[in-house]
Amino acid sequence: DAGVTQSPTHLIKTRGQQVTLRCSPKSGHDTVSWYQQALGQGPQFIFQYYEEEERQRGNFPDRFSGHQFPNYSSELNVNALLLGDSALYLCASSLSTGVLSNQPQHFGDGTRLSIL
Amino acid sequence: AQTVTQSQPEMSVQEAETVTLSCTYDTSESDYYLFWYKQPPSRQMILVIRQEAYKQQNATENRFSVNFQKAAKSFSLKISDSQLGDAAMYFCAYTGDDKIIFGKGTRLHILP
Repeated sequence: DAGVTQSPTHLIKTRGQQVTLRCSPKSGHDTVSWYQQALGQGPQFIFQYYEEEERQRGNFPDRFSGHQFPNYSSELNVNALLLGDSALYLCASSLSTGVLSNQPQHFGDGTRLSIL
Repeated sequence: AQTVTQSQPEMSVQEAETVTLSCTYDTSESDYYLFWYKQPPSRQMILVIRQEAYKQQNATENRFSVNFQKAAKSFSLKISDSQLGDAAMYFCAYTGDDKIIFGKGTRLHILP
């Protein structure tokens, strides 16, 4: 049973560029959430997708956008990259029993994004 | 605004001993959920234990248990019989009012 998979594992970009990160949820899950985890910090919620729509959003600018496909996989896009966007980006999947509920989230290994 | 505070950036415990990690939170909601997640050095975050706020009984999962004090807004994690594999970052998380908030984490070292 495949868990949450993310690609790529590492990515290096320069300021001003755009990046796309990808996530496949755990089998049977239909809800995908994205988090930004800066070094030494806890994850910060970016947004959550369910039924191909953004359902909830954290305190992140519009440069951060996403998409969910009919097979429940998801992409996170970040435009006009800043040095402060350097972080580990985590994807988590869960069941659609509530947008933000008591259902545990299953996390991927993350994508380490470095901005030069 | 909801907040989650983990006041212990690092802790150490002797193998086979018991350790308690603290977490406090602030919310005006009456219905919410609390979680402890573990993030080993391999990075993948995994759920340790969860607690529904409306349940008075403290959650227990094998060697892991919580002390949930709703009035005090405290949610500590107790690890009994600590093992080397318990070494990791531990994050306390709150979900409620359509928000999810993680604490900054506590790094737990297990001393052989």
